[in-house]
Amino acid sequence: GESVGLHLPTLSVQEGDNSIINCAYSNSASDYFIWYKQESGKGPQFIIDIRSNMDKRQGQRVTVLLNKTVKHLSLQIAATQPGDSAVYFCAENLQGAQKLVFGQGTRLTINP
Amino acid sequence: KAGVTQTPRYLIKTRGQQVTLSCSPISGHRSVSWYQQTPGQGLQFLFEYFSETQRNKGNFPGRFSGRQFSNSRSEMNVSTLELGDSALYLCASSPQGAGANVLTFGAGSRLTVL
Repeated sequence: GESVGLHLPTLSVQEGDNSIINCAYSNSASDYFIWYKQESGKGPQFIIDIRSNMDKRQGQRVTVLLNKTVKHLSLQIAATQPGDSAVYFCAENLQGAQKLVFGQGTRLTINP
Repeated sequence: KAGVTQTPRYLIKTRGQQVTLSCSPISGHRSVSWYQQTPGQGLQFLFEYFSETQRNKGNFPGRFSGRQFSNSRSEMNVSTLELGDSALYLCASSPQGAGANVLTFGAGSRLTVL
């Protein structure tokens, strides 16, 4: 069946440290994997995506890693800042389907 | 460029009532999707519209319906409201030809059912 899950519901890190948020997925037919950030009172905001034929993609302070062998996705945030505090969701876009399947989310808290 | 606009932002209804939520996509975007977000179930896909046609539907009862107008604006309706329908309803849009990986979400309409 379709499911995307996250390993940890909460993650707390010190400001300036790197954060790693993990996600497991079950559907091998997904075309894209996407990370969203949701701040309180706002809708999910696109961070970065990775196509299924890639292993790694880098953005500004963020890196997404995809391990298709173990169906694992991770988001690395470098030098975390207070503004990074939010709930992070992974999602998968099933090939040919105009819809996303979301994981449950990880709440990232940045400690000063 | 204006983002995805959802109205109303907050509303309170009682069981048995019906509700209509509105979404204006980003200008030029023709695909509009709806998602329900609850603490227990997370974000779940409701349906997706393109050119006034529903192309995809999630696993929700028939009380949940939607439509899209010729200007790409969309509405969703929930009839015979239940307590479990309390949720944040999110609308997202994407450009023609783009996949769901480039969705832009609105801030949502928070529905409370009493």
